[in-house]
Amino acid sequence: GAVVSQHPSRVICKSGTSVKIECRSLDFQATTMFWYRQFPKKSLMLMATSNEGSKATYEQGVEKDKFLINHASLTLSTLTVTSAHPEDSSFYICSAWSPAGATDTQYFGPGTRLTVL
Amino acid sequence: SQKIEQNSEALNIQEGKTATLTCNYTNYSPAYLQWYRQDPGRGPVFLLLIRENEKEKRKERLKVTFDTTLKQSLFHITASQPADSATYLCALDLYNFNKFYFGSGTKLNVKP
Repeated sequence: GAVVSQHPSRVICKSGTSVKIECRSLDFQATTMFWYRQFPKKSLMLMATSNEGSKATYEQGVEKDKFLINHASLTLSTLTVTSAHPEDSSFYICSAWSPAGATDTQYFGPGTRLTVL
Repeated sequence: SQKIEQNSEALNIQEGKTATLTCNYTNYSPAYLQWYRQDPGRGPVFLLLIRENEKEKRKERLKVTFDTTLKQSLFHITASQPADSATYLCALDLYNFNKFYFGSGTKLNVKP
């Protein structure tokens, strides 16, 4: 299957700082990338859908000014958590999708564990 | 709004038995339904996809069924092994927009 990487895998930051998480599709071009967050023992919650070259579409209840998404190329999307607070601590996972793929599925990155002190 | 429910939070079975996990949804029938495996601290790994016009899909020891009348998918692992222990998630594509929503997952524990 296709490979998606995320960086960093783990980050600890102080309250009030901003954190950027990168999501890269390594062996295919992803026209669409998705960002999820996951709380312990809970399922993935879709935050936003990101299409290359256009603004991200956010799910209801997700603050777009808080979670800035940029999809600058077909292989890279970034999520910036601005002015992070302890309640933003979570597991953030991206996925990448390409309409050229045979399985019409998403390929997930390994996730980024964010801890805000 | 669409609601996706997976049977129990945890399912314990003996090695060698067949594990059956359920995924029920309300309202709209999805164009696709997918099953993923997730290990602790890792991203989900795609297992199987089944389309709305398919009744059953198989891959090695895995089998997925899709009943749009019951609004349910069943996921079976035959001859289960301790290595199959993980959380299994179902995901639905709503309105064919390639936007997926996940169920809460079922944690499968296969005991030797």
